[in-house]
Amino acid sequence: QVQLVESGGGLVKPGGSLRLSCAASGFTFSHSYMSWMRQAPGKGLEWISYISNGGSDIYSADSVKGRFTISRDNAKNSLYLQMNSLRAEDTAVYYCARVAGGSGSWFLDYWGQGALVTVSS
Amino acid sequence: DIVMTQSPDSLAVSLGERATINCKSSQSIKNYLVWYQQKSGQPPKLLISWASTRESGVPDRFSGSGSGTDFTLTISSLQAEDVAVYHCQQYYSSPFTFGQGTRLEIK
Repeated sequence: QVQLVESGGGLVKPGGSLRLSCAASGFTFSHSYMSWMRQAPGKGLEWISYISNGGSDIYSADSVKGRFTISRDNAKNSLYLQMNSLRAEDTAVYYCARVAGGSGSWFLDYWGQGALVTVSS
Repeated sequence: DIVMTQSPDSLAVSLGERATINCKSSQSIKNYLVWYQQKSGQPPKLLISWASTRESGVPDRFSGSGSGTDFTLTISSLQAEDVAVYHCQQYYSSPFTFGQGTRLEIK
């Protein structure tokens, strides 16, 4: 079955950096677009970044553009999110998720359990 | 950006009764809408795509309807395990945006 397992979350000071990882299994990772989503405490969901199966097509939300970088290693079935210049408002649970296949299917069919990132001094 | 607005923000329904959650988009999104269910402490789970297509394994008491700007998620007979926050998301145009979520509880 499809499994997505995030790691790398934790407490970081404002201005600091953190790298999240997502280990994927149970499907052909190299065929799938992948995404990072986040959910601030008590708030709604935000789609912050996606990457194409080959890595050439990347989207980043305005809220993280220039600070966060999505990447992937298909040989390791892994997705990454490098987060730099972190701010208090980046505090959230970060989810790795698979973009559903098919034309125009820009929604998430599998999600990881999430990694909590807390930005505080 | 397309703004998605859900109503109500929270809802309490008796067991066995019907629950209805609405989602409105700021412009037409045809049928490019999904619903997710998020139980406490868990990630979202995909329930319905293309506004009305139930995912495999989703009980048939869940149904979605609507097109254009107005959409509805209906749970025909509420069960205790349906307590959750429900989110809608449009995928008609990037950035793909979510509603604020609707919390469903048992009355």
